[in-house]
Amino acid sequence: AQSVTQLDSQVPVFEEAPVELRCNYSSSVSVYLFWYVQYPNQGLQLLLKYLSGSTLVKGINGFEAEFNKSQTSFHLRKPSVHISDTAEYFCAVSYQNDYKLSFGAGTTVTVRA
Amino acid sequence: GAGVSQSPSNKVTEKGKDVELRCDPISGHTALYWYRQSLGQGLEFLIYFQGNSAPDKSGLPSDRFSAERTGGSVSTLTIQRTQQEDSAVYLCASSQTGSIEKLFFGSGTQLSVL
Repeated sequence: AQSVTQLDSQVPVFEEAPVELRCNYSSSVSVYLFWYVQYPNQGLQLLLKYLSGSTLVKGINGFEAEFNKSQTSFHLRKPSVHISDTAEYFCAVSYQNDYKLSFGAGTTVTVRA
Repeated sequence: GAGVSQSPSNKVTEKGKDVELRCDPISGHTALYWYRQSLGQGLEFLIYFQGNSAPDKSGLPSDRFSAERTGGSVSTLTIQRTQQEDSAVYLCASSQTGSIEKLFFGSGTQLSVL
């Protein structure tokens, strides 16, 4: 069974500062990796995904993530955050050719002026 | 429609009552998922529909939970004899042909069981 661990439940950050959200997964087989964002009172929106190829993945709104197979990690980064990045962020994993996503518990990012 | 639509957006009910939650997926999407998001926890898979195939119900937490999908489109999640631990946000998602790479989520139904 897969499990996804998001190491930080809350991340406060000042506007224009960098942010990193950590995600580790447990799987011995090839996986697909995702980061989703959930703004208040909205559904989840895909930020970026890793399926294969380059381990550095760029997504929407200036976010990027790096897949590290040896460390089974997929950390999300943004070099300079905005107030509008305040949201909850979820890391998710699926086996290749599987239709289910396993989600982490989420990281709440609060950006302050 | 333009996106996945869920109704109601909020539902408050009394313990022991039955509730029905509705999901209207994106037109043409054959795959439909229900997930549950409890406070402080990640999303928990509940059930998966793909076309006319038998649904994957492996995530339903108890026999009080059931779901159906009529005509390959709208889905209803029913919770019978609700308990306080059922309080959560219930999210629906759809995709074309079950592609996990392109999953679209609705805004969810916030269920509160008093």
